[in-house]
Amino acid sequence: DVKVTQSSRYLVKRTGEKVFLECVQDMDHENMFWYRQDPGLGLRLIYFSYDVKMKEKGDIPEGYSVSREKKERFSLILESASTNQTSMYLCASSTTGRYGYTFGSGTRLTVV
Amino acid sequence: SQQGEEDPQALSIQEGENATMNCSYKTSINNLQWYRQNSGRGLVHLILIRSNEREKHSGRLRVTLDTSKKSSSLLITASRAADTASYFCATVGSSGSARQLTFGSGTQLTVLP
Repeated sequence: DVKVTQSSRYLVKRTGEKVFLECVQDMDHENMFWYRQDPGLGLRLIYFSYDVKMKEKGDIPEGYSVSREKKERFSLILESASTNQTSMYLCASSTTGRYGYTFGSGTRLTVV
Repeated sequence: SQQGEEDPQALSIQEGENATMNCSYKTSINNLQWYRQNSGRGLVHLILIRSNEREKHSGRLRVTLDTSKKSSSLLITASRAADTASYFCATVGSSGSARQLTFGSGTQLTVLP
């Protein structure tokens, strides 16, 4: 069964900490995405990547960065966590030509 | 930016009834997709309809697309309690990158046993 695995289901971090959210897919997908989901705001795209070592900003990249050193792994980095980054973070992957995304189970991050 | 807007925001029906959810979008699309999300979990891809298609079926799901009205509907027939979830439409634009999905705000469906 194909999978997108996010390293943590729940995470609690302190304001100002550097936070790493990891995402790994086993489907050899070239495209990977990070979204955050908040009540009433739906899913908003933070960053995405179409290839190793490349990245593009989505709609809300401020306060975030990403890293894609290997095809299967796409990391989201909160440089200095703030309380307004408390959210559900969803990673997804896809392959070009097949437009459906495969999502991970999500990481619920709380910044205190 | 949000492309799709689902209607209604919440829907509650009895088991066995049909559930219809609607989605409107703003710009021209390459395709439109529907996803389902169980509470606190990731999204699961349900069905994709291309801009040159008008209707598509998959099991108990029926999707229609009207590009002139920039709208789509998802029909779930003979609903079950296990269909309780949030349902999202998402679009791939016809210009620029064909790989980015833009999601709507979702419809929360509750199926009562």
